[in-house]
Amino acid sequence: DVLMTQTPVSLPVSLGGQVSISCRSSQSLVHSDGNTYLHWYLQKPGQSPQLLIYRVSNRFSGVPDRFSGSGSGTDFTLKISRVEPEDLGVYYCLQSTHFPNTFGAGTKLELK
Amino acid sequence: QVKLQQSGAELVKPGASVKLSCKTSGYTFSTSYMSWFKQIPGQSIEWIGMIYAGDGGTGYNQKFKGKATLTVDTSSSTAYMDLSSLTTEDSAVYFCARMYYDGYPDYWGQGVMVTVSS
Repeated sequence: DVLMTQTPVSLPVSLGGQVSISCRSSQSLVHSDGNTYLHWYLQKPGQSPQLLIYRVSNRFSGVPDRFSGSGSGTDFTLKISRVEPEDLGVYYCLQSTHFPNTFGAGTKLELK
Repeated sequence: QVKLQQSGAELVKPGASVKLSCKTSGYTFSTSYMSWFKQIPGQSIEWIGMIYAGDGGTGYNQKFKGKATLTVDTSSSTAYMDLSSLTTEDSAVYFCARMYYDGYPDYWGQGVMVTVSS
């Protein structure tokens, strides 16, 4: 299975600040069709995950432009600017290029 | 709007089975894919498997073969997951999620807690 390594595990932030979360895969996530199936989710306490970014850099419907994704191959980044209270929770990356789909261990975004 | 409504929390005894449901609305269920996921509280998320509602075709994570069985009822736009021979290691929150055609889960159910205890 593809191992997804997220760093950091915990990320203290001040409201209004900017943060980056890294996600690295043990294999290239470029599919044979040329697309890269790396996605980002936010899970707030007691809730189900919500899709933020799909295929590396595309914001899902209703996701503010404070969220941006980038990267290629095995190295990906989620950036959050002007952090707001509703951004707090655990962020996961997910790869669906290879079978089975696998998630990172998560990065907890919390207030300093 | 797309909605996925999962059944309520379950408390089951070791060795028993349980059937979880995920009732959908707001989109064409019969031509869609549905995935199921497992999350032990405080841990990350595991993909269990996926089913195509059009023909019931399935794909499973090898780890969950023999443990989970996915089915659908297109007449009620509902997906099901049977979990068998339950042990304490199966205690977790289970989510269903619609798979967008591009291969990622976009809308999720609220999750259901399954507790295996004697």
